[in-house]
Amino acid sequence: SQKIEQNSEALNIQEGKTATLTCNYTNYSPAYLQWYRQDPGRGPVFLLLIRENEKEKRKERLKVTFDTTLKQSLFHITASQPADSATYLCALANQAGTALIFGKGTTLSVSS
Amino acid sequence: ETGVTQSPTHLIKTRGQQVTLRCSSQSGHNTVSWYQQALGQGPQFIFQYYREEENGRGNFPPRFSGLQFPNYSSELNVNALELDDSALYLCASSPTGGRLDTQYFGPGTRLTVL
Repeated sequence: SQKIEQNSEALNIQEGKTATLTCNYTNYSPAYLQWYRQDPGRGPVFLLLIRENEKEKRKERLKVTFDTTLKQSLFHITASQPADSATYLCALANQAGTALIFGKGTTLSVSS
Repeated sequence: ETGVTQSPTHLIKTRGQQVTLRCSSQSGHNTVSWYQQALGQGPQFIFQYYREEENGRGNFPPRFSGLQFPNYSSELNVNALELDDSALYLCASSPTGGRLDTQYFGPGTRLTVL
């Protein structure tokens, strides 16, 4: 069955360091992969989308890589700040883009 | 520009009852999708609506149904409520004609089934 795993439930890092979050999937050939941020009690907020034919995408301090051979995406936040503390979710789309599967999320805590 | 809104914010129902949740999409967005998020879990895709028709569905039973209206707003209906239906129900809209690219989520409706 299709499975998506975010490799750690919680990640604690110090301010200024780079946070790296991992998303692995099996039995799936996604057209694209997305990353969202979710704060407690709120809906997810879209961050980045990377397509199957793209290797890397950047937006300000965020970087996403997508390796369809390894079936893995890495999400990096450089120069992390306490305000980056949140749960980060990855989501895969089917080939038609009409359905999404989300991972459980990784909760990032950045301490000052 | 108004974002995605959902009503009600909270709802308490008893097992066996029926519930309707509502969602107003962001202006100009023609695709609406619904998700169920249990505590500590990621959102689970229920279905999406485009052009007033269901255009994709996750692994949810038929007692979960929906509607999309000409103004792109949407309803999620759940019949014969079960205790496990207790969750945060999220609605998201996107402007991408049936594809779930960039999605804009509402704040959710917290449903408690007793």
